[in-house]
Amino acid sequence: GAGVSQSPRYKVAKRGQDVALRCDPISGHVSLFWYQQALGQGPEFLTYFQNEAQLDKSGLPSDRFFAERPEGSVSTLKIQRTQQEDSAVYLCASSFPTSGSYEQYFGPGTRLTVT
Amino acid sequence: AQSVTQLDSHVSVSEGTPVLLRCNYSSSYSPSLFWYVQHPNKGLQLLLKYTSAATLVKGINGFEAEFKKSETSFHLTKPSAHMSDAAEYFCVVSDQPGTYKYIFGTGTRLKVLA
Repeated sequence: GAGVSQSPRYKVAKRGQDVALRCDPISGHVSLFWYQQALGQGPEFLTYFQNEAQLDKSGLPSDRFFAERPEGSVSTLKIQRTQQEDSAVYLCASSFPTSGSYEQYFGPGTRLTVT
Repeated sequence: AQSVTQLDSHVSVSEGTPVLLRCNYSSSYSPSLFWYVQHPNKGLQLLLKYTSAATLVKGINGFEAEFKKSETSFHLTKPSAHMSDAAEYFCVVSDQPGTYKYIFGTGTRLKVLA
């Protein structure tokens, strides 16, 4: 079956531009997560959705970052007025939490480069 | 707060020799622990998980890990390294129940020498 897909795979933005990153989770997965992975680092949590509800956005680094999942499926991470420090790989993951098993399935990521 | 420490940023082994990637965790809860592998330009792939069942966990591609509560460790091992094992490995602890968000270690880059 299809895994988690993300688009675009690569994005180059000039400083100050807005970008939108898309995530298509595995069909039927209730939970969706966004992570940011800086070069040479482990991924860091950004935000979490359960269906369409954004239950945790404690990892969003500034108010320039915004995420939505309006119909409980596809999610978009938007970054306004991009800065060089936003350059990273943005990973999306989905899961279907059941008792005792809630591993996350990751997409290939979107590599954002801000010039 | 939950955290993981991967004790080695780089590990080099010869093909056919054992692999040991070390991970220590800190958790206020009964933790769920995972190992993921990341090949270049590929997504993160789950190797194995511990969720309070058996303390010795077997995963894919011959990897296994042992949960040791007294040592707060979850080291990843493989008896015999293969060239295809060269990748970045991440130890992960799941945050408190309810959100299941992951806390990642900083990663260990495994190099396999011919």
